[in-house]
Amino acid sequence: GNSVTQMEGPVTLSEEAFLTINCTYTATGYPSLFWYVQYPGEGLQLLLKATKADDKGSNKGFEATYRKETTSFHLEKGSVQVSDSAVYFCALTPFLGALNFGKGTSLLVTP
Amino acid sequence: EAGVTQFPSHSVIEKGQTVTLRCDPISGHDNLYWYRRVMGKEIKFLLHFVKESKQDESGMPNNRFLAERTGGTYSTLKVQPAELEDSGVYFCASSQVARLAGAYNEQFFGPGTRLTVL
Repeated sequence: GNSVTQMEGPVTLSEEAFLTINCTYTATGYPSLFWYVQYPGEGLQLLLKATKADDKGSNKGFEATYRKETTSFHLEKGSVQVSDSAVYFCALTPFLGALNFGKGTSLLVTP
Repeated sequence: EAGVTQFPSHSVIEKGQTVTLRCDPISGHDNLYWYRRVMGKEIKFLLHFVKESKQDESGMPNNRFLAERTGGTYSTLKVQPAELEDSGVYFCASSQVARLAGAYNEQFFGPGTRLTVL
């Protein structure tokens, strides 16, 4: 079946630190991959996506590259800000429909 | 433009009671999805409507859950009778129908309803 595994949190970083949140997946075929973010008190928002191998999704300084050979889609940001504190979810959809999510990684950025 | 709204934001009920959650999608979005996040676990897909029709309900856990979308606008998810393991956050999402084969239309999520069954 389809599944997503992402690193356990919480992750605590100082402002301007480098961020990596690991995500690996299992899927049949060629899924589309996503990172969603949930800020406190809000719904999930699409952060970035990649629909085929070697695609790089990017938004708000965050990047993730679709690596088919390692079945990974790690999220990175070179310099985090306090406002990036949120829960980050890696997700896939094998057929552009319902999403399969990971458990989420809580990020806290301190000044 | 209003986003996806969900009501109530929180609900606390006792085991055996009935609860109905409501989702209002973005106007014009034919796709409507329900998901659930149980504490410490993944967000799990429950079901998918296209307009008023159930496209995929493979994620519905059991027959205590009933989802409807009469008229293809808002949707309700009823849990009857509620059990302790039904506690969690229920998310609704909506999207437009893709006009091109292979295109992905972003799912927009509501803030969720936190359900606590005591």
